[in-house]
Amino acid sequence: EPEVTQTPSHQVTQMGQEVILRCVPISNHLYFYWYRQILGQKVEFLVSFYNNEISEKSEIFDDQFSVERPDGSNFTLKIRSTKLEDSAMYFCASSEAQGPTGSGANVLTFGAGSRLTVL
Amino acid sequence: LAKTTQPISMDSYEGQEVNITCSHNNIATNDYITWYQQFPSQGPRFIIQGYKTKVTNEVASLFIPADRKSSTLSLPRVSLSDTAVYYCLVGRRALTFGSGTRLQVQP
Repeated sequence: EPEVTQTPSHQVTQMGQEVILRCVPISNHLYFYWYRQILGQKVEFLVSFYNNEISEKSEIFDDQFSVERPDGSNFTLKIRSTKLEDSAMYFCASSEAQGPTGSGANVLTFGAGSRLTVL
Repeated sequence: LAKTTQPISMDSYEGQEVNITCSHNNIATNDYITWYQQFPSQGPRFIIQGYKTKVTNEVASLFIPADRKSSTLSLPRVSLSDTAVYYCLVGRRALTFGSGTRLQVQP
């Protein structure tokens, strides 16, 4: 079964440092997403990405965050200057379609997550 | 965006059928209903999706009444490994997760 791969599985960083989280989406998927989940809280949408640009972002996704698809396989989330409150599990997801085309709604396949700990 | 309401938690025993209901009173005509399952420290996993009436797959059934203002995820004969959080999402894009229902299955 195809899967979304995320690296690293766990990263510890100092406050103020830059962090890059990497994801390899499923190869024939066209839409990519980042979510985060603070320990004990719900899964929060950060951003969706299609055709090399951001298609939607939440209010959480402020100027300290950026996403990039540097090549044909990787999808990255960069946090420029980490804060203590950025400590969370970050999930990457991908989907074939984003709903309006064809039948059904988009179905996301999530990776196992990258746990970020900011000290 | 259609807002969803689910019970915060549910308890069950192994071998029982579990039904989790989600309310979505302002569901739009083109919205689908999608359910995900999440185990601790793992990403959510798609379970089932439907638009109306009943959908069944190897994992669960989804019952949607005619007015589509609610939906019920049915898990037949649960086991300990079904202990997880279950999320109901509504919409064609279905990107927003609510608080979910924490299902605890006891032996």
